[in-house]
Amino acid sequence: QKEVEQNSGPLSVPEGAIASLNCTYSDRVSQSFFWYRQYSGKSPELIMSIYSNGDKEDGRFTAQLNKASQYVSLLIRDSQPSDSATYLCAVRARAAGNKLTFGGGTRVLVKP
Amino acid sequence: DADVTQTPRNRITKTGKRIMLECSQTKGHDRMYWYRQDPGLGLQLIYYSFDVKDINKGEISDGYSVSRQAQAKFSLSLESAIPNQTALYFCATSDRQSTSTDTQYFGPGTRLTVL
Repeated sequence: QKEVEQNSGPLSVPEGAIASLNCTYSDRVSQSFFWYRQYSGKSPELIMSIYSNGDKEDGRFTAQLNKASQYVSLLIRDSQPSDSATYLCAVRARAAGNKLTFGGGTRVLVKP
Repeated sequence: DADVTQTPRNRITKTGKRIMLECSQTKGHDRMYWYRQDPGLGLQLIYYSFDVKDINKGEISDGYSVSRQAQAKFSLSLESAIPNQTALYFCATSDRQSTSTDTQYFGPGTRLTVL
């Protein structure tokens, strides 16, 4: 079992709809959770971080964390074609020396 | 100017050649990382350094070595390149002062092809 798992997609959503991305992790002592956006051939760019259970909203993005279920999600509201990218989930556990472990990413396609 | 730079941006080399990828940062961060990314896959950690005298192996260090020449510079070497090291390589930095967040900032990447 991978430490951080994501559905590879592609997740196809119409413009203006909500895109819902999921990520599960195996290490129960994980403390910090990140969502990165990566356009094809470009470097990852941090879009959200979340550290406690519940929801965190930033503009059109909402991250949701449920530590009991070892699950973190990202919602993209009012999806735009410019949101078409791969979204990487990353998890940090202090026991792992503060290193980040990345999932394989979910490719999102927003169709006009 | 970019905060994290990588050179070269693209490199084609032959099997058995030695190659060095360089990373420089102006963010003043003490932590630096090297990752590789294969098509359709996430990032795999090769090596990381929490300060100039602290270097650690990551998940996939075999076939690679690193050098932390200064706080701002972290180089990755392939002593004898092989085709399955063809990948996109990213350098990243983070700040010890923000250990609660440990946000990592990535360079633009180096696309390496080993023939």
